[in-house]
Amino acid sequence: DQQVKQNSPSLSVQEGRISILNCDYTNSMFDYFLWYKKYPAEGPTFLISISSIKDKNEDGRFTVFLNKSAKHLSLHIVPSQPGDSAVYFCAASNSGGGADGLTFGKGTHLIIQP
Amino acid sequence: SQTIHQWPATLVQPVGSPLSLECTVEGTSNPNLYWYRQAAGRGLQLLFYSVGIGQISSEVPQNLSASRPQDRQFILSSKKLLLSDSGFYLCAWSVHPGFDEKLFFGSGTQLSVL
Repeated sequence: DQQVKQNSPSLSVQEGRISILNCDYTNSMFDYFLWYKKYPAEGPTFLISISSIKDKNEDGRFTVFLNKSAKHLSLHIVPSQPGDSAVYFCAASNSGGGADGLTFGKGTHLIIQP
Repeated sequence: SQTIHQWPATLVQPVGSPLSLECTVEGTSNPNLYWYRQAAGRGLQLLFYSVGIGQISSEVPQNLSASRPQDRQFILSSKKLLLSDSGFYLCAWSVHPGFDEKLFFGSGTQLSVL
């Protein structure tokens, strides 16, 4: 049972435009959400997070939106740059859970075209 | 500052051979430690986590095992590799005590079992 779903395996966006990566979850106990970015042959790095008490969190070009009623979150990158080409993982947790509580999606490969 | 070292970067092993992947963390004490695997076309799967020396929790039944002989050392092992063990293995750490959803990943090991 996949509790965190990223339904788009890949996404191609032109440089300078907005990239929107989507993530859906099924577990209503999740209350903290994160995005990680991964380059080939490297480990993922933390990008941005959001708590369920918020519906938006912004950090520079990156904004995460959370729609709790729809169990949906999205990552917006504006403007998209060539260095943004990477695989993006959505992750969710129940903050009341233990150290094993982070569930990852399968990732979306973002390709920024010049 | 904290750093995490993971080696080797790539490994090609025959079926039935043993495995030992090592991970060490510097610059922090008593971290939570994790082993994840990313198989082809799949997300990040938690294999093992540890909240202290000698304390190992397993998430997925498999022919792999983990050990934490020292505070900042985490080892992933197998006595006999299977073809299905191929994948990208990632070590990660987070702040302890409690659970910090923000994980810091190593650079990963690409394991090919032939």
